[in-house]
Amino acid sequence: DTGVSQDPRHKITKRGQNVTFRCDPISEHNRLYWYRQTLGQGPEFLTYFQNEAQLEKSRLLSDRFSAERPKGSFSTLEIQRTEQGDSAMYLCASSNRDREETQYFGPGTRLLVL
Amino acid sequence: EDQVTQSPEALRLQEGESSSLNCSYTVSGLRGLFWYRQDPGKGPEFLFTLYSAGEEKEKERLKATLTKKESFLHITAPKPEDSATYLCASLGNTGKLIFGQGTTLQVKP
Repeated sequence: DTGVSQDPRHKITKRGQNVTFRCDPISEHNRLYWYRQTLGQGPEFLTYFQNEAQLEKSRLLSDRFSAERPKGSFSTLEIQRTEQGDSAMYLCASSNRDREETQYFGPGTRLLVL
Repeated sequence: EDQVTQSPEALRLQEGESSSLNCSYTVSGLRGLFWYRQDPGKGPEFLFTLYSAGEEKEKERLKATLTKKESFLHITAPKPEDSATYLCASLGNTGKLIFGQGTTLQVKP
């Protein structure tokens, strides 16, 4: 069990560019979550998957954001036409609800939009 | 609406000076109350899950307790390496983890 991994760890982009982040959950975890965290705040829920199905999306997730989890394994979060307000830490977490409710987080991807 | 409030926002302690962090929550159908530790620039690290009022869990110098409206994280004889931001989160019927804004703890030697 190597924990949740995220790639890249840091991303600097120019306003208007598209970016994509990847998350690899703990193996055998059937739920995968995306959160966004800005400085001095707790993480805010964006969306989550049960296996490959996206079950819920927050109102924070505008049309520029899309997430996928093909085959119920890794997940990608894409932001199109980035804006400076998208600058934040993007966190991924996974859980196995069949066993417990606890969500385990990855190291995050820090995005800076110039 | 589910809500979590943590206090204080910041806490400075001398090494060995015990204290408690507070987490007040309102949630529909509590499925769990979680405590995480977060170091600067890193993801939250899981500490405890509490499922029902009266439950307590301990790990080294940390002890988490739960009532119907609050949770406390007690830190006994803290060391400088305990310095971090401590996050509380509730999970209710919505299935979404709702976080407080965190308490930033600084322990001075």
